[in-house]
Amino acid sequence: KQEVTQIPAALSVPEGENLVLNCSFTDSAIYNLQWFRQDPGKGLTSLLLIQSSQREQTSGRLNASLDKSSGRSTLYIAASQPGDSATYLCAVRGDSNYQLIWGAGTKLIIKP
Amino acid sequence: DVKVTQSSRYLVKRTGEKVFLECVQDMDHENMFWYRQDPGLGLRLIYFSYDVKMKEKGDIPEGYSVSREKKERFSLILESASTNQTSMYLCASRRQNEKLFFGSGTQLSVL
Repeated sequence: KQEVTQIPAALSVPEGENLVLNCSFTDSAIYNLQWFRQDPGKGLTSLLLIQSSQREQTSGRLNASLDKSSGRSTLYIAASQPGDSATYLCAVRGDSNYQLIWGAGTKLIIKP
Repeated sequence: DVKVTQSSRYLVKRTGEKVFLECVQDMDHENMFWYRQDPGLGLRLIYFSYDVKMKEKGDIPEGYSVSREKKERFSLILESASTNQTSMYLCASRRQNEKLFFGSGTQLSVL
């Protein structure tokens, strides 16, 4: 059964730093992996989707990588800003079904 | 931009009431989902629909039903609301195999 883990659960860094958020999964037979951000009391915003055949995706200051063999994905945020403060979640879709398996999220705080 | 619209941002209901949560998407997406999100429990899938009139149970379907009569609309029904159904409800949709897009959520309180 697929399990998705995000460590750490919370992270606080000064503004301007580059940072990496981690997502690990136990079953490498994935169809794709998606990163989201969630602001308090709001819905989720899709950030990046990586298909299983891809190694990385980039959008602005965000870069997501995927290493299926090691069961890991990272979300790299360059030059962090206070507006990046949010909870970041990753979700894995398996090969054989429609459902996503969710990590518990990393709560990121960027200090001005 | 994709828009997923949930009919209410906040809702307060009494125990035993029948509750309807509506979700509409404007991008002709085949797949639609209903999740609930609770502190410490994360996102849990209630039901999903991979096409019109099709529905599948998720991880926690008990006490809920759904309806998808038209492609753009996916309704979640609480047959007889209970206090343990107080939660944030999130609707999402996607084209097959593509990014998942969420609505802004409905915070439901059952008193």
